[in-house]
Amino acid sequence: DAGVIQSPRHEVTEMGQEVTLRCKPISGHNSLFWYRQTMMRGLELLIYFNNNVPIDDSGMPEDRFSAKMPNASFSTLKIQPSEPRDSAVYFCASSLGQGDGYTFGSGTRLTVV
Amino acid sequence: GQQVMQIPQYQHVQEGEDFTTYCNSSTTLSNIQWYKQRPGGHPVFLIQLVKSGEVKKQKRLTFQFGEAKKNSSLHITATQTTDVGTYFCAGRRSNYQLIWGAGTKLIIKP
Repeated sequence: DAGVIQSPRHEVTEMGQEVTLRCKPISGHNSLFWYRQTMMRGLELLIYFNNNVPIDDSGMPEDRFSAKMPNASFSTLKIQPSEPRDSAVYFCASSLGQGDGYTFGSGTRLTVV
Repeated sequence: GQQVMQIPQYQHVQEGEDFTTYCNSSTTLSNIQWYKQRPGGHPVFLIQLVKSGEVKKQKRLTFQFGEAKKNSSLHITATQTTDVGTYFCAGRRSNYQLIWGAGTKLIIKP
């Protein structure tokens, strides 16, 4: 199994631009999570999908952030417009079920200048 | 609100010394998970503890879950350079969401 696959690994963009992060979870995993990690705030849950349905998006910072999961093998996190304070590492993780351990992707390091 | 406090923030050890990190929750947890994140890497799931008073071992790593299911610890015996990284606990209450500790960074002194 290739694990959770995220792309791109690194993204540098200018303030105001749209950014789209991509994730392919492990096949058969029913739960998908988007996290953001910064030195100041640690790991923050942004949104959680179960069986492709968004269950909890209370962690999404504001309307500039949106996430979709059109099918069981693909999810996107979009930031529009991006701001410098969005700079962070964004992780996608999946798990077999709600109560299982998470498998994280390698992350996308986003820098907004 | 729900919190999981993890201490210490950093621990510097000589190679071969032991390392311990502690997590304490303000509320009872249904289970607790432990993850390791290498520098520049991503969190990797180590183990999940479910039962009150549970103790599990993985080679030199010993994980404990308190009797009241509010605290947990990870102990590494005789640290090696491969143990370097940040160790996170993540507690779960009755729903799906994990409450993450801030992590303890293990640093091996040169």
